[in-house]
Amino acid sequence: DAMVIQNPRYQVTQFGKPVTLSCSQTLNHNVMYWYQQKSSQAPKLLFHYYDKDFNNEADTPDNFQSRRPNTSFCFLDIRSPGLGDAAMYLCATSKTRDSSYEQYFGPGTRLTVT
Amino acid sequence: GQNIDQPTEMTATEGAIVQINCTYQTSGFNGLFWYQQHAGEAPTFLSYNVLDGLEEKGRFSSFLSRSKGYSYLLLKELQMKDSASYLCAVTDSNYQLIWGAGTKLIIKP
Repeated sequence: DAMVIQNPRYQVTQFGKPVTLSCSQTLNHNVMYWYQQKSSQAPKLLFHYYDKDFNNEADTPDNFQSRRPNTSFCFLDIRSPGLGDAAMYLCATSKTRDSSYEQYFGPGTRLTVT
Repeated sequence: GQNIDQPTEMTATEGAIVQINCTYQTSGFNGLFWYQQHAGEAPTFLSYNVLDGLEEKGRFSSFLSRSKGYSYLLLKELQMKDSASYLCAVTDSNYQLIWGAGTKLIIKP
């Protein structure tokens, strides 16, 4: 089945230790999104790729970086995680930028920072 | 600024009907969406409204009034598995999805 896959589902890292979260999709969608979601809050868009065109939200901290080496894969790098970065990280895709409402989500990676 | 408001939490009884309201103020409008999110899981798409009126899909219906910046999600014949957060989201003029914080729905037997 075509889907959005996130690995790992649960990630524990130490304060200040770099961590990478991965997302892959078999839908062949052009757009990929990374969201951060904290408990009882709305998902917060960090950045999105339209094909290889990278779009960073204005309030995304520099500590967060992203890479999209090909259509299928997208990575979220947190260079120096702080306690405040503990959250669920959601990857999503949409076929085109104009169909951003129809986003397909992966299961998420829950990040714990110790 | 862009803003989406929905109640933080609601409680309803199994078998009953519940209506979750959402009001929005966004720069442009290209559609309103409802997502369901169970605890610890990713959001899943429920419904989409771009024109005024009611869209029905089984036990779930969604209503939109663009002039009032208002929508509601109606859940009928509530089941325990409907306990979840329900997120309202609007696509603005740049086709960016603006999310509400979600309404946590608690179903009691």
